Order: sequence, then C-alpha cells, then structure tokens
Amino acid sequence: QVELVQSGAEVKKPGASVNVSCKASGYIFTGNYIHWVRQAPGQGLEWMGIINPSSGSSSYAQKFKGRVIMTRDTSASTVYMQLSSLRSDDTAVYYCARAEALKGHFDYWGQGTLVTVSS
Amino acid sequence: DIQMTQSPSSLSASVGDTVTITCRASQSVSSHLHWYQHKLGKAPKLLIYAASSLQSGVPSRFSGSGSGTEFTLTISSLQPEDYATYYCQQTYTTPQKTFGQGTKVEIK
Repeated sequence: QVELVQSGAEVKKPGASVNVSCKASGYIFTGNYIHWVRQAPGQGLEWMGIINPSSGSSSYAQKFKGRVIMTRDTSASTVYMQLSSLRSDDTAVYYCARAEALKGHFDYWGQGTLVTVSS
Repeated sequence: DIQMTQSPSSLSASVGDTVTITCRASQSVSSHLHWYQHKLGKAPKLLIYAASSLQSGVPSRFSGSGSGTEFTLTISSLQPEDYATYYCQQTYTTPQKTFGQGTKVEIK
C-alpha cells in the first residue's frame, strides 16, 4: 500500500531553517512527482512546490523562491523540504503529497509535520 | 496565475441535507479540477478527481460536475462524518497547483 511518512514536529527560532522529510513506500518512488503543501493556523491549503523524484528537478511557488529547497534521495525513497529564514508566519502544518501521473491530483498525502516558529 | 474561488466560505447543514459547493476558476482549467476533504489534525483526503470521477473508497453520496471554469461538489444526504472543510484544486497549470480558499461545512 502506498504510504508517505513525514518526520516529526519541529520548533524553530526566527531566522533558522527547518528540514522536513517525506519517506515514500508501496510504489515506484521515481514514478510520481511529490508536492509540498502547507496550512497555517486558521488558513487554507497553500501549494509550495514540486519535485520530480526521478530527475531531482524542482519548481517552487513564487512566494517561497529563495527560501525553499526540495531535494530527494532515491536510495532512501525520501524527499526533503528545507525552508530557511523562518518567520512566525511560517508556523504551519506541512504536508507532502503524491501526484497521480495523468491528471495530477494528489492521491496520497503524508500525515503532516507541525513546524512552530517562535522566539 | 489561475485563481480559484469557492462559495460559500462556510455553511451550516443538517444530517440528511444535500449540500452543494461551487468552485470557479479565473480561466479554464478544462477538467483538471479536484476536490478534497480536510478534517482538523488529519491529512487532506481526495474525494473527486478530474471534475467528476469518484476516488476509490469514497462514498457515492459525493459527486462532482463541471468543466472549464465552473465546478460543483455535491454531498447527498449529509452524514455526521462529512463535517469538514472542502477544497477544490486545479492542476491544469504547470507547476502551480492552486487551491480554493476552502468551504467549511458545519452542523446546523
């Protein structure tokens, strides 16, 4: 069965960086793109970016360009999302999600990782 | 960028009611429109993909319709477990995959 398992909750100070991992299992890791989505308290779902696990290429939402880096380790079937220069408004639950190959809908999601930014 | 607008932003309904949520795109997204259910503390769940296809395992009381710029999600005979926030999402554009702002379905 397809599963995406994310790393645990993080507490960071403003200005720091956070690295969230997403380990995939139950399917061919390089066969589907992975997206990152976040939800800040009281807010909706916000798309952050995409990584192609096969090539390692990534694209990011304009809002996060310069602060986010998405990488993958094919040997570990894991993708990583690093967000730097953290601010209090980066406090959110971060999700990874697998994109279905044809229509692109997000058919499997990680359980979410709470990142709290506080001094 | 394509903007996705849902209406209403929230609604109150009783068990057994039929609920309809609308999603409008600022330009055509063809049928690349999907619906998710999100409950507090859980990952979003795919309900409908490609505008009208029911995801495996999702109850048949959920249905979707539309194409181009206007789409609807209908929940027939609302059940207690359906109280949640619902999001539409377009995957027509590359790489941006935009969500609507969400519709919160509450108990009346």
